[in-house]
Amino acid sequence: DAEITQSPRHKITETGRQVTLACHQTWNHNNMFWYRQDLGHGLRLIHYSYGVQDTNKGEVSDGYSVSRSNTEDLPLTLESAASSQTSVYFCASSESEAETRAKNIQYFGAGTRLSVL
Amino acid sequence: QQQVKQSPQSLIVQKGGISIINCAYENTAFDYFPWYQQFPGKGPALLIAIRPDVSEKKEGRFTISFNKSAKQFSLHIMDSQPGDSATYFCAATVTGGGNKLTFGTGTQLKVEL
Repeated sequence: DAEITQSPRHKITETGRQVTLACHQTWNHNNMFWYRQDLGHGLRLIHYSYGVQDTNKGEVSDGYSVSRSNTEDLPLTLESAASSQTSVYFCASSESEAETRAKNIQYFGAGTRLSVL
Repeated sequence: QQQVKQSPQSLIVQKGGISIINCAYENTAFDYFPWYQQFPGKGPALLIAIRPDVSEKKEGRFTISFNKSAKQFSLHIMDSQPGDSATYFCAATVTGGGNKLTFGTGTQLKVEL
């Protein structure tokens, strides 16, 4: 079965360190998204990609970067981790709108809980 | 700026009761409104969705009611069960907008026996 996996599931790091969260999907979806989930804020979009070599900033992109070198992976990098980036991070993927207008379903991974101390 | 406002933040319902979660949006360009359900330790998963050309959509015990003029929509869970205990997110998107979802802040639902 197709799936989307995130690793690690839990991560503790120190302020100032660079951290990379992995996201791998086997749906062969063109669209991939990174969100952070915080109580009181819901899910907020960090970065997204519509295909290989394409990346775009979301509403809370400061301090984060992504790269898309293949269809399956969209790693999220925190350049210099800050305590404000302590959160649960979710990766999601979906078909492109050109492939299906009827369904705008995003499929989510299980999340990475990141603590920045 | 919160484009999709969701309430309540938390909700406790007795087994067999009706759970109601409300959302309001500001962007009139939104034309697709999904609800996602999230269990502890899991990622959100699509539960049910509606387009504004209908006022109601029902799937089993879950119903979305949509009021286009008021820019509001709500999720009703009939005969609520303990297994429905989860966090629910409403969302909205614009067709042609790259399938980007704008989420509400979430509602933690607990269904008690």
